[in-house]
Amino acid sequence: EVQLVESGGGLVQPGGSLRLSCAASEFTFTNYWMGWVRQAPGKGLEWVANVVEDGSRKFYLDSVKGRFTISRDNGKNSVDLQMNSLRPEDSGLYYCARATDARYDVWGQGTLVTVSS
Amino acid sequence: DIVMTQSPLSLPVTPGEPASISCRSSQSLLRSDGYNSLSWYLQKPGHSPQLLIYLGSNRASGVPDRFSGSGSGTDFTLKISRVEAEDVGVYYCMQALQSPITFGPGTKVDIK
Repeated sequence: EVQLVESGGGLVQPGGSLRLSCAASEFTFTNYWMGWVRQAPGKGLEWVANVVEDGSRKFYLDSVKGRFTISRDNGKNSVDLQMNSLRPEDSGLYYCARATDARYDVWGQGTLVTVSS
Repeated sequence: DIVMTQSPLSLPVTPGEPASISCRSSQSLLRSDGYNSLSWYLQKPGHSPQLLIYLGSNRASGVPDRFSGSGSGTDFTLKISRVEAEDVGVYYCMQALQSPITFGPGTKVDIK
């Protein structure tokens, strides 16, 4: 079964860092862009970042540029999101998703990030 | 940035009856290949979003045929021919024509 499993969420103080990971299985990882989408508590979906198949190009939401870094390890079928200088407004459920031709066709179950003192 | 709007934001439905959700974009989503970079997702309560419709009108694998997508350019519609109880949740449209990818605010569908 095609699957994405996120990990790494938790409680962190404002200004702190967190690294999210997403493990992919049962599909050819190198054929797909990968992305992160977040959802603040009780709110809608917000795109965060995408990375192309070979990791050479990355795209970010303006509000996370310079603070978040998306990366992938095609040998391990995984994609990470390094989050630095975290703010309370970065809190939410972070989903890893597989991207193909203008859509996200597979989603993980999400990992919760809480930024609070 | 491309702004996505949806209407209505709340939609009480009766099982067996049809339902329709509108999505509009601030710029045309029509690509040079004739496809629209517009997809629809359903987030059931307590679950991750799931893809329903892609490229404006193509049903994703496993999606029941009571769901259909239509429209082009800036105006799109998701239709459910006969609503079932399992269709409750929040429906989102999303554009991926240009970065940043943007979602609509969501339409909450529940049973009357």
